[in-house]
Amino acid sequence: NAGVTQTPKFQVLKTGQSMTLQCAQDMNHEYMSWYRQDPGMGLRLIHYSVGAGITDQGEVPNGYNVSRSTTEDFPLRLLSAAPSQTSVYFCASSRRDRGSYNEQFFGPGTRLTVL
Amino acid sequence: GQNIDQPTEMTATEGAIVQINCTYQTSGFNGLFWYQQHAGEAPTFLSYNVLDGLEEKGRFSSFLSRSKGYSYLLLKELQMKDSASYLCAVSYGSGNTPLVFGKGTRLSVIA
Repeated sequence: NAGVTQTPKFQVLKTGQSMTLQCAQDMNHEYMSWYRQDPGMGLRLIHYSVGAGITDQGEVPNGYNVSRSTTEDFPLRLLSAAPSQTSVYFCASSRRDRGSYNEQFFGPGTRLTVL
Repeated sequence: GQNIDQPTEMTATEGAIVQINCTYQTSGFNGLFWYQQHAGEAPTFLSYNVLDGLEEKGRFSSFLSRSKGYSYLLLKELQMKDSASYLCAVSYGSGNTPLVFGKGTRLSVIA
């Protein structure tokens, strides 16, 4: 199993450009999520999905779109990049069992710089 | 909101014991996780507590008191490689609800 994979590892954008961060998992996990991590701010949830076709907003969704057409993939789209979106982005996945232990597995991260 | 509080930074000596505390709001509590994150890397799972008491796993132990909204991560026989950030995360509600993460505690182990 590859676990959770993310591409690209590094990206530099200019203000106003758009791009898609890719995330895929091969563990058949229903639950997937995107976080951003900034110094002193911890992990902040952007969007999450509890299964194919279902997405919801997290704490900091503005400027980001997601879709979940398959169980395996959960891409994150930046429609018009802004310097405030410079951050490290982590994708995570887990099983979705009511009331039980659901360890989240994290991808290696994408380091994004917006100039 | 559901604030998760933990100290920002701690320093400890190689071979010593360190305790990293985490407090959280108890309403809707469904479980607590500890993750380790080395600089420039992704978080990795350390432990999970859902019942009161101590869970031991090698040099690492995690404690939970649900009534007090309190947990700690205990690291024994500290090694230089334990220098990392330690993230406390709480599961609220059902399995559909995302984890809420604290801001992390950056631990520096010195010789």
